[in-house]
Parts: sequence; C-alpha cells; structure tokens
Amino acid sequence: GAVVSQHPSRVICKSGTSVKIECRSLDFQATTMFWYRQFPKQSLMLMATSNEGSKATYEQGVEKDKFLINHASLTLSTLTVTSAHPEDSSFYICSATPGGRGETQYFGPGTRLLVL
Amino acid sequence: AQKVTQAQTEISVVEKEDVTLDCVYETRDTTYYLFWYKQPPSGELVFLIRRNSFDEQNEISGRYSWNFQKSTSSFNFTITASQVVDSAVYFCALSEDRRDDKIIFGKGTRLHILP
Repeated sequence: GAVVSQHPSRVICKSGTSVKIECRSLDFQATTMFWYRQFPKQSLMLMATSNEGSKATYEQGVEKDKFLINHASLTLSTLTVTSAHPEDSSFYICSATPGGRGETQYFGPGTRLLVL
Repeated sequence: AQKVTQAQTEISVVEKEDVTLDCVYETRDTTYYLFWYKQPPSGELVFLIRRNSFDEQNEISGRYSWNFQKSTSSFNFTITASQVVDSAVYFCALSEDRRDDKIIFGKGTRLHILP
C-alpha cells in the first residue's frame, strides 16, 4: 500500500524559533500533498494544499507567512512553522495523493509540536 | 456545500458486540467519493475504504462492512465481533469530483471497546 512518512514525529521548541516538518511519499509520486492540523479530540482541519512546483493554496484563516509550505519534488513537501508560539502547539498531519479526482489521500503518522 | 455528519460523538461497547458507526453526507454533485479512516491512539490515520457514488454495493472486509445508501445519503460502517484493538476514532469523509482533491472530514466517532 501507499506509505507516507513524516519527520520529526515529535518536536519541542522554544517560543520564537522555527520548526520544519517533512512529509514524504515513499512508494508513489504525489502530485498533491495536504497539510492538516488537529487539536485534541477534534477533527482534522485542512491548512493548505500543496502541488509540486507551484505555490501552496491556503485555507481561509491560515497565515501563509506563518506556515510556509514548499513542495519541491513529487515525493517531498515541507511545512515550516515560523516564529512559533505556544498557540501553535498542535498535531500536524500531512497526506499525499497520486492525483486524480477523488483519489485516496494517504496520511503520514503526524508530528506533535510543543512550543514552550 | 458539502458536509459530513457523524452524529455519534462517542460509543462504548463490550468486546465481541457488533457496533455500527453512522455517517450522513450532503453534496450537490452526482459524482463524489466517500471514505472511512481509523485513527488509533498513536495518531496516524489509517485508510479503510473508498467508495464512489456510482457503486452502491455493500462491502465486507473481514469483520468490517459498509452500507452505502444514496437514498438516505448515508455510508455506515459496522464492526462485527468487536475487539479491543478496534478502539479508535473513526472518521467518515467526502470528496467531490474536483481537481483540488480536497476531502471534508466528519467530526469523528470515538469508539471504546471494553474488555
């Protein structure tokens, strides 16, 4: 089956620092990757859609300068949380799809970010 | 606008009982796709099933079965002879026939299987 990895799985950082999270599709080429945020006991909230070689599309209310997304290749997308603050602490999950309408999204294991 | 409703926030059943998780969706499109994902305590979302709107056949996979009924806009998920390892949050999701491949998640149902 399709495998998506995410790194790191857990990160603790000081307020004001930047954190980079990587999302990789291991056995397929992902034309589209998605970044979600999930608060405890809540559903997934889509942050942005990332297409290889083009700018990410951000959902309403998501600060593009705060959450920098780069999709440099068909197997790698990165999310950088810039100048992180405690309210950015959350569970961040990426997904990847080989493309095509209605295609299944395969999810990474998630990254737990704690900003002190 | 598309929408997914999982009315059951939390369910607890005793091991070996059968349990059905409800999912009701709304969409104006005639072509759409429905999904179920499992999120165990570890946090990773595990893909369970994908069904397109033209395929109303029920599906069975081991102890899991899905009942898709367009007439009631429902895509319910049943676990037969539940096991403790089935304890997780289960999300139903909907994708319309769009280029952006976005999927909309329901709020999830937290399932507790008690030993």
